Amino acid sequence: DQQVKQNSPSLSVQEGRISILNCDYTNSMFDYFLWYKKYPAEGPTFLISISSIKDKNEDGRFTVFLNKSAKHLSLHIVPSQPGDSAVYFCAATGTASKLTFGTGTRLQVTL
Amino acid sequence: NAGVTQTPKFRILKIGQSMTLQCAQDMNHNYMYWYRQDPGMGLKLIYYSVGAGITDKGEVPNGYNVSRSTTEDFPLRLELAAPSQTSVYFCASSPGLAGGGLRNEQFFGPGTRLTVL
Repeated sequence: DQQVKQNSPSLSVQEGRISILNCDYTNSMFDYFLWYKKYPAEGPTFLISISSIKDKNEDGRFTVFLNKSAKHLSLHIVPSQPGDSAVYFCAATGTASKLTFGTGTRLQVTL
Repeated sequence: NAGVTQTPKFRILKIGQSMTLQCAQDMNHNYMYWYRQDPGMGLKLIYYSVGAGITDKGEVPNGYNVSRSTTEDFPLRLELAAPSQTSVYFCASSPGLAGGGLRNEQFFGPGTRLTVL
């Protein structure tokens, strides 16, 4: 039972364009969402988060949007840079001190 | 700060062998976690701890054991290795809201790649 889903295993975007990574969740108890970035042979690193009381959070080139009614969130990267090429994981949490991760989307930013 | 460190980086085990994956953090975080990541999959929580002496099962605890005798260390024990335990293992820690961190922001180690043959 995959409670957090990232349906696109991979995404290729040209440098300078917008990258949009999507995530869906099924558990209504989730009220805080995080995005992590992972390079090969490294552990994931925290990127940005959003509380369910908000619908948007922005940090530099990264913006996360949350649509609670659709149980959907997205990460926008503008403009995309080659260094953004990595695997991006969506994660969600409820009342417990635990994260539930999606399966990840591999982003490739091409020149 | 070294952050979260994991040893070893790589290990090959034979079926039935046992081993301990080491994890240490120097950030004085209360919360610590063990995950495994299989190819093409997300991170699955194996065990977690909310403080020294307190551990709890995650989503996939079978075949593993943990202990948390100090704030800094959170070793993961595999008793009878099986091919299904071939995976990359990540340890993470979190200060929690009380520790001044963002809610559930977790800091990850570099991982241990384990192969069971």
